[in-house]
Amino acid sequence: NAGVMQNPRHLVRRRGQEARLRCSPMKGHSHVYWYRQLPEEGLKFMVYLQKENIIDESGMPKERFSAEFPKEGPSILRIQQVVRGDSAAYFCASSPPWGQDPLSYGYTFGSGTRLTVV
Amino acid sequence: DQQVKQNSPSLSVQEGRISILNCDYTNSMFDYFLWYKKYPAEGPTFLISISSIKDKNEDGRFTVFLNKSAKHLSLHIVPSQPGDSAVYFCAALYTGTASKLTFGTGTRLQVTL
Repeated sequence: NAGVMQNPRHLVRRRGQEARLRCSPMKGHSHVYWYRQLPEEGLKFMVYLQKENIIDESGMPKERFSAEFPKEGPSILRIQQVVRGDSAAYFCASSPPWGQDPLSYGYTFGSGTRLTVV
Repeated sequence: DQQVKQNSPSLSVQEGRISILNCDYTNSMFDYFLWYKKYPAEGPTFLISISSIKDKNEDGRFTVFLNKSAKHLSLHIVPSQPGDSAVYFCAALYTGTASKLTFGTGTRLQVTL
């Protein structure tokens, strides 16, 4: 019974390269959320997706960042032309369909991808 | 605009004593609150939650109190154990529609021997 799987755990990219972060939600979960944690800061919401649909991307930077959750396969967070300021821990979380579990609205988080831009 | 605030970045408590972590929120639409615990190099794990229709929820050593009029909640850990040393995040959401969790900035708890 695997939890939320994120890969890679660690990713090093040179400035200007592209970073692709993957997230496979828990079985039965159809909602995926991406959060970013900068050093010494809290968890900042980036984007909320359902299969083939972006529900809320209010936390995504306007440029260079994109996310998808295709019908088949994991959710992907893509960062183009990375800069040093993109270095952070990126966490993915998943949840069941909204309201399915009236006892809890909590997410299940993955272990994160630590992106280092050199 | 920080809608969920944890004003104490760190807290040190002796083993066996009570740990009290505080959280304030500004958005009156929030009606469900959660606490997450996070160890270094791991993802946050769900600890305890409370609906706005309640003012207290207890689970073993962990109790969450909610004061809606003050827009304040707190997490009590009694007795504190060294394994409780971690960063604790408060989070909130509005359940009326599919929406995201909004997190506070976290409080680092250190339980000393």
